[in-house]
Amino acid sequence: TQLLEQSPQFLSIQEGENLTVYCNSSSVFSSLQWYRQEPGEGPVLLVTVVTGGEVKKLKRLTFQFGDARKDSSLHITAAQPGDTGLYLCAGEGGTSYGKLTFGQGTILTVHP
Amino acid sequence: DADVTQTPRNRITKTGKRIMLECSQTKGHDRMYWYRQDPGLGLRLIYYSFDVKDINKGEISDGYSVSRQAQAKFSLSLESAIPNQTALYFCATSNTAGGTQYFGPGTRLLVL
Repeated sequence: TQLLEQSPQFLSIQEGENLTVYCNSSSVFSSLQWYRQEPGEGPVLLVTVVTGGEVKKLKRLTFQFGDARKDSSLHITAAQPGDTGLYLCAGEGGTSYGKLTFGQGTILTVHP
Repeated sequence: DADVTQTPRNRITKTGKRIMLECSQTKGHDRMYWYRQDPGLGLRLIYYSFDVKDINKGEISDGYSVSRQAQAKFSLSLESAIPNQTALYFCATSNTAGGTQYFGPGTRLLVL
């Protein structure tokens, strides 16, 4: 069974601070996806990274896929209250071909 | 209108009852998934279907069954509900292996 360890589980910060969420595994994934979920709704895809070492930017969010495709990170610059939510990483590939293995999630709260 | 719908949105039932959660999609995707979400555990895959004639168990299928009535419909049944099946249940669809998964709004289930 492939596992994805996501950390930290909880993050409470002030508006304007920077933060990083980590997603680690001992398994290699073909791709790694990051989702954001708000209360009462299903997760929504933010980005997919597929190449080892790949870096993708989405406004103030920067996503990186590790060179060995076993880990990924999400960095938010100058967090805003609107960034509050649950962030989930999910890997596809290997024994999880065609389906996603999710990390435990990071609950981010950004205080004004 | 939402592309992936789930009914009911909330359900309270008693131990031993049989219940069905329904999922419908208008995205035209062949692949459909059922997940459960518990605090601190992320999303765990219950069952998945890559087309109408294909049904596969996920990592936590015990106590659950599914039916793929058509490309657009995928139902999850709890044959005899138990309290530890209290959770948030999500249906999702995708059109490719490793592609974006589109989630419904979820069903909150409480088993007393």
